[in-house]
Amino acid sequence: AQTVTQSQPEMSVQEAETVTLSCTYDTSESDYYLFWYKQPPSRQMILVIRQEAYKQQNATENRFSVNFQKAAKSFSLKISDSQLGDAAMYFCAYRSAPPYSGAGSYQLTFGKGTKLSVIP
Amino acid sequence: GAGVSQSPSNKVTEKGKDVELRCDPISGHTALYWYRQSLGQGLEFLIYFQGNSAPDKSGLPSDRFSAERTGGSVSTLTIQRTQQEDSAVYLCASSPSGTVRSGANVLTFGAGSRLTVL
Repeated sequence: AQTVTQSQPEMSVQEAETVTLSCTYDTSESDYYLFWYKQPPSRQMILVIRQEAYKQQNATENRFSVNFQKAAKSFSLKISDSQLGDAAMYFCAYRSAPPYSGAGSYQLTFGKGTKLSVIP
Repeated sequence: GAGVSQSPSNKVTEKGKDVELRCDPISGHTALYWYRQSLGQGLEFLIYFQGNSAPDKSGLPSDRFSAERTGGSVSTLTIQRTQQEDSAVYLCASSPSGTVRSGANVLTFGAGSRLTVL
């Protein structure tokens, strides 16, 4: 089974600065997806960014970018020009790519999250 | 609908009572997931529905937990004889398909149902 580890329970960043959230995962698969989800106090999980393992180019979405190191099984999230609205729990997640094998193989496996605070 | 809708938003119940949590997925989404999020923890997979296929119940923690999905749309998660350790946020998510690759692997989540068992 795959595991996802987020080693930073809490992080803080000054408004307008840059912060990087760490995520590592363990898998024997070669094809998979990685995600970062944001969960504000409203509890709604919001997709921030997605990376397909077969793509070497790091995904970017406006102020959000990832550093995907497949060999190291590392998938960090960089938030540039941090804003107050970025304050939230951030979850890293892993998902196998089809065809799926066995029960539960298509589900998202989540890390325990990193709580990000943005200081004005 | 425009998003995944869950009800109730909050539920307080007494130990030993049964509770039902409802999820209304995005129209047309064939895949539906239930996750549990305990305080300070990540999300724990509970159950998965895909179209008319038999659900994958491999994540259900005990036989007190069950779920159904009627007409391939609305889903209900039922917890019988609730225990204090069942207190958590229960999140539902849907996606266009659980098996198609391109553009269909993103799960859209609801806002969750917070269950408190006294």
